[in-house]
Amino acid sequence: GQSLEQPSEVTAVEGAIVQINCTYQTSGFYGLSWYQQHDGGAPTFLSYNALDGLEETGRFSSFLSRSDSYGYLLLQELQMKDSASYFCAVDSGNTGKLIFGQGTTLQVKP
Amino acid sequence: DGGITQSPKYLFRKEGQNVTLSCEQNLNHDAMYWYRQDPGQGLRLIYYSQIVNDFQKGDIAEGYSVSREKKESFPLTVTSAQKNPTAFYLCASVGQATGNTIYFGEGSWLTVV
Repeated sequence: GQSLEQPSEVTAVEGAIVQINCTYQTSGFYGLSWYQQHDGGAPTFLSYNALDGLEETGRFSSFLSRSDSYGYLLLQELQMKDSASYFCAVDSGNTGKLIFGQGTTLQVKP
Repeated sequence: DGGITQSPKYLFRKEGQNVTLSCEQNLNHDAMYWYRQDPGQGLRLIYYSQIVNDFQKGDIAEGYSVSREKKESFPLTVTSAQKNPTAFYLCASVGQATGNTIYFGEGSWLTVV
């Protein structure tokens, strides 16, 4: 079957760094992406990794290791507004399917 | 501005009724998707379409139907066969025109009364 695993909850304090891991098992793989979703809202795109390595976008970075079927989202200089759910998703390419993980709820405390 | 428009935002359905959720995009995207999200849960794929007049079942297609008669439109019908339809429904699209980034609509809340 196809699955993505990520922690259900993470808690950190303002100004800290937090890493959200994602491991995947899918029938095809083109890339791993990350999304942020605030309560009651739609997910918004954060980053996409098709190749191994680190992609940096401001305070957010994302890493991919295709050989390990593993990636992570790194959030630096945490702010209260970063409290949200974060989803990893796999683009399986050939089939056109986008499969999402169950999401990680990040709570940022003062 | 380009984007995805879902309607209605809130919808109430009586037992035994079919309802249709609209999803329109003007991003020139080929691929479109419907996801269901239950409170505190992740997104589960209902149906997806890579091209006009073609679509495939996702992981939870039972009780749902779709059509893709136009590139811009991918409506989802929640049929009476769906026994637990109360959820948040998200439409999304992807295309080379926007660098393969997934764009989501604002979502539709469906409640069975």
